[in-house]
Amino acid sequence: AQSVTQLGSHVSVSEGALVLLRCNYSSSVPPYLFWYVQYPNQGLQLLLKYTTGATLVKGINGFEAEFKKSETSFHLTKPSAHMSDAAEYFCAVSDLIPRIGNSGGSNYKLTFGKGTLLTVNP
Amino acid sequence: DAGITQSPRYKITETGRQVTLMCHQTWSHSYMFWYRQDLGHGLRLIYYSAAADITDKGEVPDGYVVSRSKTENFPLTLESATRSQTSVYFCASSGRAYEQYFGPGTRLTVT
Repeated sequence: AQSVTQLGSHVSVSEGALVLLRCNYSSSVPPYLFWYVQYPNQGLQLLLKYTTGATLVKGINGFEAEFKKSETSFHLTKPSAHMSDAAEYFCAVSDLIPRIGNSGGSNYKLTFGKGTLLTVNP
Repeated sequence: DAGITQSPRYKITETGRQVTLMCHQTWSHSYMFWYRQDLGHGLRLIYYSAAADITDKGEVPDGYVVSRSKTENFPLTLESATRSQTSVYFCASSGRAYEQYFGPGTRLTVT
């Protein structure tokens, strides 16, 4: 089974500083990797994803992440933090769902890390 | 607007009562998912569905029942609520093979 480890349950940075949120995964097959963001009292919003191709992935709000197969990592970065970036961030890895019933095609379920709460100080 | 909605957004119920959380999506996505979110655990998959009338268990299915008679709806029922089921519940849907879209969540408190 896939697993995701997010290093640091809480990260605090100053406004304008570099944001680095760490994610390591275990997967027996080439993974699809995701970062989601959750603002207070809201659902999860997809920030960016890696499926195939370029290992440096750009997402919304100036975030990017780099897939490093040799390190089994998918760390999230942003060069300059903004107050509006304060939220909880979840890394997730895909896990193929076995076909059930007569459903057409295959799909994936997501295994999430436990989340990293990002605080941005003025 | 198209999207995924959940109701109610907040619910307080007593131990032993049955409660149903609703999820509705307008994208005609074939796959739908229920997660619970608890501090220190992140999100854990309860049940998922590949299409109408096709469902399967996730990581933490005990105490929950799902049904999916229509593609757009995926209700989650707690047959006899327990305090350990106090949580925030998220529904998600997926049309493509890997991208999931989440609803706003239902905060459930079992007293």
